[in-house]
Amino acid sequence: SQQGEEDPQALSIQEGENATMNCSYKTSINNLQWYRQNSGRGLVHLILIRSNEREKHSGRLRVTLDTSKKSSSLLITASRAADTASYFCATDAGGSETSGSRLTFGEGTQLTVNP
Amino acid sequence: DTGVSQNPRHKITKRGQNVTFRCDPISEHNRLYWYRQTLGQGPEFLTYFQNEAQLEKSRLLSDRFSAERPKGSFSTLEIQRTEQGDSAMYLCASSLVVVGTQYFGPGTRLLVL
Repeated sequence: SQQGEEDPQALSIQEGENATMNCSYKTSINNLQWYRQNSGRGLVHLILIRSNEREKHSGRLRVTLDTSKKSSSLLITASRAADTASYFCATDAGGSETSGSRLTFGEGTQLTVNP
Repeated sequence: DTGVSQNPRHKITKRGQNVTFRCDPISEHNRLYWYRQTLGQGPEFLTYFQNEAQLEKSRLLSDRFSAERPKGSFSTLEIQRTEQGDSAMYLCASSLVVVGTQYFGPGTRLLVL
């Protein structure tokens, strides 16, 4: 199976609720990045967490990384209808901590936020 | 500050034709990446450049695919003798080596008839 597998594949919630998406990977990584993609469009970078970090926040986003379990989670708090999109985690396992390399993506989680 | 741009945004071609896509990265970014995404899947890595040097190519990049970044700025991706299986979204991204965050363009959607 792929590096960077997201769970669940699809998530449907009501506006105002929190959404949690999980990502598992197989190899050692330098960093892990989360992206959002609206239907048929390019990817928007949300947050990058390095292998020596355990948690990062950005606005309504909270990302955790557990390198011992090779897993990450993305929490979106107080969700809005505009958060409806596909969310991908992507791992960077090459180069060094300061040298970005290829990203390996999972298949994504489709989040639907109902107004 | 302009982001990554890609042209064309859409391309329809007949099987057997050659196509070329262009990517203009964020101006100070020294790394440039190409990915391919099919419907319902995450992007798959194709190749990347640091300045004008092509540092890595995926096994997905068959002999029919070639990418260049001649002056370390914009890049082109050419597909020769297109096949229906080449239909996909082709995404370009750029980054600064010391930061690692990859910023993606809007993609070029290719349909091979």
